[in-house]
Amino acid sequence: RKEVEQDPGPFNVPEGATVAFNCTYSNSASQSFFWYRQDCRKEPKLLMSVYSSGNEDGRFTAQLNRASQYISLLIRDSKLSDSATYLCVVGGGSTLGRLYFGRGTQLTVWP
Amino acid sequence: NAGVTQTPKFQVLKTGQSMTLQCAQDMNHEYMSWYRQDPGMGLRLIHYSVGAGITDQGEVPNGYNVSRSTTEDFPLRLLSAAPSQTSVYFCATLDWGANYGYTFGSGTRLTVV
Repeated sequence: RKEVEQDPGPFNVPEGATVAFNCTYSNSASQSFFWYRQDCRKEPKLLMSVYSSGNEDGRFTAQLNRASQYISLLIRDSKLSDSATYLCVVGGGSTLGRLYFGRGTQLTVWP
Repeated sequence: NAGVTQTPKFQVLKTGQSMTLQCAQDMNHEYMSWYRQDPGMGLRLIHYSVGAGITDQGEVPNGYNVSRSTTEDFPLRLLSAAPSQTSVYFCATLDWGANYGYTFGSGTRLTVV
């Protein structure tokens, strides 16, 4: 079983739509959680960290459910510029600093 | 502040050749790591280092060597390139501080023929 599982999509949504991505992780000892964004042929870039209490950054909302080992990302009012691959990333556990990446969920926002 | 710099950006090797992928950072981060990214596989950890003189294996270390003689540099060596090592390689550093998170270099696209 992979450490981090994501629905690969693709998700194709119109501008202005709300879209949600989900992710599950297998190691209950995991301590840090992130969503990264990766544009085509570019490096991953940190979108937001995910905290136990949930957190919001503009149109983006991240949630963490430790009991279910589940992470989500909600994007409201989608923009064309949101088109990218979104990576669920989990860290911690037995090896400090070690990150585990999901395979990514591809999002395309169309006009 | 250049962040994480990787060179070269592109490389074509013949099977059996060796080469070194360079990674340099100017953020004074202790933790550095190398990942490879293959279609449908996500990013997988090759080697990592928690400080100068300290390295350890990740998930897919075979065929690769690393060393960390300085905080700034963390080169990745391919000893005898194989077609299975065709991939995109990313170097990443970790900020343990207030801005906890990873910063990636722009990647090296390697093709082994």
